[in-house]
Amino acid sequence: QLVQSGGEVKKPGESLEISCKVSGYSFDKYWIGWVRQVSGKGLEWMGIIYPGDSESRYNPSFQGQVTISADRSTETAYLRWSSLKASDTAVYFCARSALGPGWYPMYLDLWGQGTLVTVSS
Amino acid sequence: EIVLTQSPGTLSLSPGDRATLSCRASESVNRNYIAWYQQKPGQAPRLLISTASFRAAGIPDRFSGSGSGTDFTLTISGLEPEDFAVYYCHQYSRTPYTFGQGTKLEIK
Repeated sequence: QLVQSGGEVKKPGESLEISCKVSGYSFDKYWIGWVRQVSGKGLEWMGIIYPGDSESRYNPSFQGQVTISADRSTETAYLRWSSLKASDTAVYFCARSALGPGWYPMYLDLWGQGTLVTVSS
Repeated sequence: EIVLTQSPGTLSLSPGDRATLSCRASESVNRNYIAWYQQKPGQAPRLLISTASFRAAGIPDRFSGSGSGTDFTLTISGLEPEDFAVYYCHQYSRTPYTFGQGTKLEIK
Protein backbone atom coordinates (compact mmCIF):
# COMPACT_ATOMS: atom_id res chain seq x y z
CA GLN A 1 0.00 0.00 0.00
CA LEU A 2 0.93 3.66 -0.29
CA VAL A 3 0.37 5.88 2.73
CA GLN A 4 0.72 9.62 2.28
CA SER A 5 1.56 12.28 4.82
CA GLY A 6 -1.15 14.45 6.31
CA GLY A 7 -2.68 17.64 5.05
CA GLU A 8 -0.68 20.85 5.11
CA VAL A 9 -1.54 24.55 5.38
CA LYS A 10 1.20 26.85 4.18
CA LYS A 11 1.76 30.48 3.18
CA PRO A 12 2.86 31.59 -0.29
CA GLY A 13 6.63 31.47 -0.64
CA GLU A 14 7.09 28.72 1.93
CA SER A 15 8.67 25.37 1.12
CA LEU A 16 7.01 22.01 1.57
CA GLU A 17 7.72 18.34 1.16
CA ILE A 18 5.00 15.69 1.25
CA SER A 19 5.66 11.99 1.42
CA CYS A 20 4.39 8.65 0.19
CA LYS A 21 5.44 5.62 2.26
CA VAL A 22 5.36 2.33 0.43
CA SER A 23 4.86 -1.13 1.89
CA GLY A 24 3.97 -4.59 0.63
CA TYR A 25 6.03 -4.65 -2.55
CA SER A 26 9.59 -4.00 -3.73
CA PHE A 27 9.91 -0.22 -3.59
CA ASP A 28 12.83 0.05 -5.97
CA LYS A 29 11.27 -2.06 -8.72
CA TYR A 30 8.24 0.05 -9.61
CA TRP A 31 7.88 3.62 -10.81
CA ILE A 32 5.92 5.98 -8.56
CA GLY A 33 3.96 8.85 -10.02
CA TRP A 34 2.40 12.02 -8.62
CA VAL A 35 -1.00 13.33 -9.70
CA ARG A 36 -2.56 16.70 -8.85
CA GLN A 37 -6.26 17.35 -8.43
CA VAL A 38 -7.51 20.86 -7.84
CA SER A 39 -10.81 20.93 -5.95
CA GLY A 40 -13.68 20.05 -8.25
CA LYS A 41 -11.36 19.53 -11.21
CA GLY A 42 -9.73 16.65 -13.05
CA LEU A 43 -6.50 14.72 -12.68
CA GLU A 44 -3.12 16.07 -13.83
CA TRP A 45 -0.07 13.85 -14.28
CA MET A 46 2.89 15.66 -12.70
CA GLY A 47 5.75 13.26 -13.09
CA ILE A 48 7.19 9.90 -12.20
CA ILE A 49 10.29 8.42 -10.58
CA TYR A 50 11.98 5.03 -10.63
CA PRO A 51 13.40 4.53 -7.11
CA GLY A 52 15.83 1.88 -8.35
CA ASP A 53 18.04 4.51 -10.00
CA SER A 54 16.13 7.76 -9.28
CA GLU A 55 15.39 8.34 -12.95
CA SER A 56 12.57 10.86 -13.14
CA ARG A 57 10.34 12.24 -15.88
CA TYR A 58 8.33 15.42 -15.48
CA ASN A 59 5.31 16.92 -17.14
CA PRO A 60 6.71 20.15 -18.68
CA SER A 61 3.86 21.99 -16.93
CA PHE A 62 5.39 21.07 -13.58
CA GLN A 63 9.10 20.93 -14.49
CA GLY A 64 11.02 23.38 -12.34
CA GLN A 65 8.01 23.93 -10.08
CA VAL A 66 8.34 20.73 -8.05
CA THR A 67 10.96 18.09 -7.32
CA ILE A 68 10.19 14.38 -7.17
CA SER A 69 12.57 12.19 -5.20
CA ALA A 70 12.76 8.78 -3.56
CA ASP A 71 14.60 7.37 -0.55
CA ARG A 72 15.28 3.66 -0.89
CA SER A 73 16.35 3.32 2.75
CA THR A 74 12.93 4.40 4.02
CA GLU A 75 10.95 3.22 0.95
CA THR A 76 9.39 6.65 0.67
CA ALA A 77 8.76 8.93 -2.29
CA TYR A 78 8.60 12.70 -1.95
CA LEU A 79 7.14 15.71 -3.71
CA ARG A 80 8.81 19.01 -2.87
CA TRP A 81 8.13 22.68 -3.50
CA SER A 82 10.75 25.33 -2.75
CA SER A 83 8.33 28.27 -3.00
CA LEU A 84 4.61 27.59 -2.86
CA LYS A 85 1.97 29.59 -4.68
CA ALA A 86 -1.72 29.87 -3.96
CA SER A 87 -2.31 28.01 -7.22
CA ASP A 88 -0.57 24.94 -5.72
CA THR A 89 -3.63 24.41 -3.51
CA ALA A 90 -4.85 20.93 -4.42
CA VAL A 91 -4.96 17.28 -3.42
CA TYR A 92 -1.84 15.39 -4.43
CA PHE A 93 -1.90 11.65 -5.00
CA CYS A 94 1.03 9.29 -5.28
CA ALA A 95 0.46 6.08 -7.19
CA ARG A 96 2.42 3.02 -8.24
CA SER A 97 2.94 2.51 -11.92
CA ALA A 98 2.57 -0.98 -13.30
CA LEU A 99 5.52 -2.18 -15.34
CA GLY A 100 5.55 -2.81 -19.06
CA PRO A 101 8.21 -4.26 -21.33
CA GLY A 102 11.69 -3.11 -20.42
CA TRP A 103 10.54 -1.55 -17.11
CA TYR A 104 8.34 0.88 -19.05
CA PRO A 105 6.02 2.83 -16.71
CA MET A 106 2.40 2.03 -17.45
CA TYR A 107 -0.99 2.73 -15.85
CA LEU A 108 -1.36 3.58 -12.15
CA ASP A 109 -2.56 0.50 -10.33
CA LEU A 110 -2.13 1.34 -6.66
CA TRP A 111 -2.93 4.74 -5.16
CA GLY A 112 -2.24 6.61 -1.96
CA GLN A 113 -5.10 8.28 -0.12
CA GLY A 114 -4.11 11.79 -1.17
CA THR A 115 -2.61 14.79 0.64
CA LEU A 116 -4.47 18.10 0.72
CA VAL A 117 -2.12 21.06 0.40
CA THR A 118 -3.62 24.47 1.12
CA VAL A 119 -1.60 27.58 0.33
CA SER A 120 -3.09 30.78 1.66
CA SER A 121 -1.87 34.03 3.14
CA GLU B 1 1.38 16.12 -25.57
CA ILE B 2 -1.52 13.82 -26.29
CA VAL B 3 -4.80 15.53 -25.42
CA LEU B 4 -7.66 13.26 -24.35
CA THR B 5 -11.21 14.55 -24.77
CA GLN B 6 -13.96 12.72 -22.93
CA SER B 7 -17.64 12.87 -23.80
CA PRO B 8 -20.18 13.50 -22.60
CA GLY B 9 -19.18 15.73 -19.71
CA THR B 10 -22.14 14.48 -17.69
CA LEU B 11 -24.23 11.39 -18.29
CA SER B 12 -27.58 11.02 -16.51
CA LEU B 13 -28.84 7.44 -16.36
CA SER B 14 -30.84 5.13 -14.12
CA PRO B 15 -29.74 1.96 -12.33
CA GLY B 16 -29.93 -0.93 -14.74
CA ASP B 17 -29.13 1.24 -17.77
CA ARG B 18 -26.12 0.82 -20.02
CA ALA B 19 -23.51 3.60 -19.93
CA THR B 20 -21.20 4.39 -22.84
CA LEU B 21 -18.33 6.78 -22.15
CA SER B 22 -16.04 8.04 -24.89
CA CYS B 23 -12.39 9.09 -24.87
CA ARG B 24 -10.86 10.57 -28.01
CA ALA B 25 -7.12 11.19 -28.34
CA SER B 26 -5.53 14.02 -30.32
CA GLU B 27 -3.26 11.47 -31.98
CA SER B 28 -3.00 7.72 -32.19
CA VAL B 29 -2.22 6.03 -28.87
CA ASN B 30 0.52 3.46 -29.42
CA ARG B 31 -0.18 -0.10 -28.23
CA ASN B 32 -3.63 1.12 -27.10
CA TYR B 33 -2.04 2.29 -23.86
CA ILE B 34 -5.28 3.67 -22.44
CA ALA B 35 -6.53 3.10 -18.91
CA TRP B 36 -9.83 3.97 -17.25
CA TYR B 37 -10.31 4.98 -13.61
CA GLN B 38 -13.32 5.52 -11.40
CA GLN B 39 -13.27 8.22 -8.73
CA LYS B 40 -15.85 8.81 -6.00
CA PRO B 41 -15.96 11.98 -3.87
CA GLY B 42 -13.18 12.15 -1.31
CA GLN B 43 -11.48 9.02 -2.63
CA ALA B 44 -8.46 8.21 -4.74
CA PRO B 45 -9.07 7.01 -8.28
CA ARG B 46 -9.46 3.27 -8.77
CA LEU B 47 -8.10 1.44 -11.80
CA LEU B 48 -10.80 -0.26 -13.86
CA ILE B 49 -9.31 -1.03 -17.27
CA SER B 50 -5.77 -1.06 -18.69
CA THR B 51 -4.46 -1.27 -22.25
CA ALA B 52 -7.90 -0.35 -23.55
CA SER B 53 -9.70 -3.56 -22.68
CA PHE B 54 -8.14 -5.48 -19.79
CA ARG B 55 -10.15 -5.41 -16.57
CA ALA B 56 -8.15 -4.88 -13.39
CA ALA B 57 -8.29 -7.42 -10.61
CA GLY B 58 -11.58 -7.43 -8.75
CA ILE B 59 -13.43 -5.27 -11.26
CA PRO B 60 -16.90 -6.62 -12.10
CA ASP B 61 -17.46 -7.87 -15.64
CA ARG B 62 -20.17 -5.27 -16.25
CA PHE B 63 -17.23 -2.93 -16.92
CA SER B 64 -15.66 -3.33 -20.35
CA GLY B 65 -13.29 -1.30 -22.47
CA SER B 66 -12.77 -1.18 -26.21
CA GLY B 67 -11.21 0.88 -28.94
CA SER B 68 -7.96 1.51 -30.73
CA GLY B 69 -6.01 4.29 -32.37
CA THR B 70 -7.67 7.51 -31.25
CA ASP B 71 -11.12 6.35 -30.12
CA PHE B 72 -11.76 4.44 -26.93
CA THR B 73 -14.89 3.51 -25.03
CA LEU B 74 -15.76 2.42 -21.52
CA THR B 75 -19.06 0.56 -21.29
CA ILE B 76 -20.88 -0.24 -18.07
CA SER B 77 -23.66 -2.77 -18.61
CA GLY B 78 -26.43 -2.75 -16.05
CA LEU B 79 -25.56 0.19 -13.83
CA GLU B 80 -25.42 -0.47 -10.12
CA PRO B 81 -25.97 2.33 -7.55
CA GLU B 82 -22.28 2.27 -6.64
CA ASP B 83 -21.25 2.97 -10.26
CA PHE B 84 -22.34 6.60 -10.15
CA ALA B 85 -19.04 8.46 -10.01
CA VAL B 86 -16.56 10.31 -12.21
CA TYR B 87 -14.61 8.36 -14.81
CA TYR B 88 -11.27 9.33 -16.32
CA CYS B 89 -9.33 7.95 -19.25
CA HIS B 90 -5.54 8.09 -19.17
CA GLN B 91 -2.89 7.59 -21.82
CA TYR B 92 0.53 6.19 -20.94
CA SER B 93 1.79 5.91 -24.47
CA ARG B 94 4.00 8.96 -24.40
CA THR B 95 5.19 11.38 -21.73
CA PRO B 96 3.84 13.56 -20.46
CA TYR B 97 1.17 11.05 -19.65
CA THR B 98 -2.23 12.72 -19.64
CA PHE B 99 -5.79 12.29 -18.39
CA GLY B 100 -9.09 13.19 -19.94
CA GLN B 101 -11.16 15.84 -18.20
CA GLY B 102 -13.58 13.23 -16.86
CA THR B 103 -17.18 12.15 -17.36
CA LYS B 104 -19.56 12.43 -14.43
CA LEU B 105 -22.07 9.61 -14.33
CA GLU B 106 -25.06 10.75 -12.30
CA ILE B 107 -28.35 9.20 -11.30
CA LYS B 108 -31.26 10.34 -13.42
